[in-house]
Amino acid sequence: SAVISQKPSRDICQRGTSLTIQCQVDSQVTMMFWYRQQPGQSLTLIATANQGSEATYESGFVIDKFPISRPNLTFSTLTVSNMSPEDSSIYLCSVEVDRRGTEAFFGQGTRLTVV
Amino acid sequence: GDSVTQMEGPVTLSEEAFLTINCTYTATGYPSLFWYVQYPGEGLQLLLKATKADDKGSNKGFEATYRKETTSFHLEKGSVQVSDSAVYFCALSDSMDSNYQLIWGAGTKLIIKP
Repeated sequence: SAVISQKPSRDICQRGTSLTIQCQVDSQVTMMFWYRQQPGQSLTLIATANQGSEATYESGFVIDKFPISRPNLTFSTLTVSNMSPEDSSIYLCSVEVDRRGTEAFFGQGTRLTVV
Repeated sequence: GDSVTQMEGPVTLSEEAFLTINCTYTATGYPSLFWYVQYPGEGLQLLLKATKADDKGSNKGFEATYRKETTSFHLEKGSVQVSDSAVYFCALSDSMDSNYQLIWGAGTKLIIKP
């Protein structure tokens, strides 16, 4: 199993600013995932972050808007840059411990409101 | 590509009612199937899973059976409680995907009234 600490849990930000979300895992994991969950909707994968390499972004998401760091096997950050109200969403960090798709663990999420 | 389709919500039931939330899938390989639950204000957590055909996953009174012939993984509970109010997500992980990326359904909000 894995315990994930994600912070901040919520924030209200001004448009045009940036917010960095942190994700700390209590064990070493190879892959970490960042999701966006817009109000009332399902999860959309933003990117996969592997330690020691650049993150892999899904269609519709770019590094300039959502830069990701993965400095070690227990930590990652996602930055939401130059925010607009359309970025208001819940952002979730997730890991899979054994890379066999048997279970994903999630942080409690960051609820972002851009005004 | 792979996909998951689950019934739209919200689903509103009275306490002690029988619950079914439908989930069907398409996959190129041999997927593992999951139900995740998201309680208000929290992240997602695994509710149950099944890794091969005819497997039944169960937890907290919830059950789902992996039906390959109908490509379904419907979630059931015989008697729901107010505390079951949450959003439920069906998901799959395909063995043909080297990253084992999870494919998510849209989520079904469940509201249980006392």
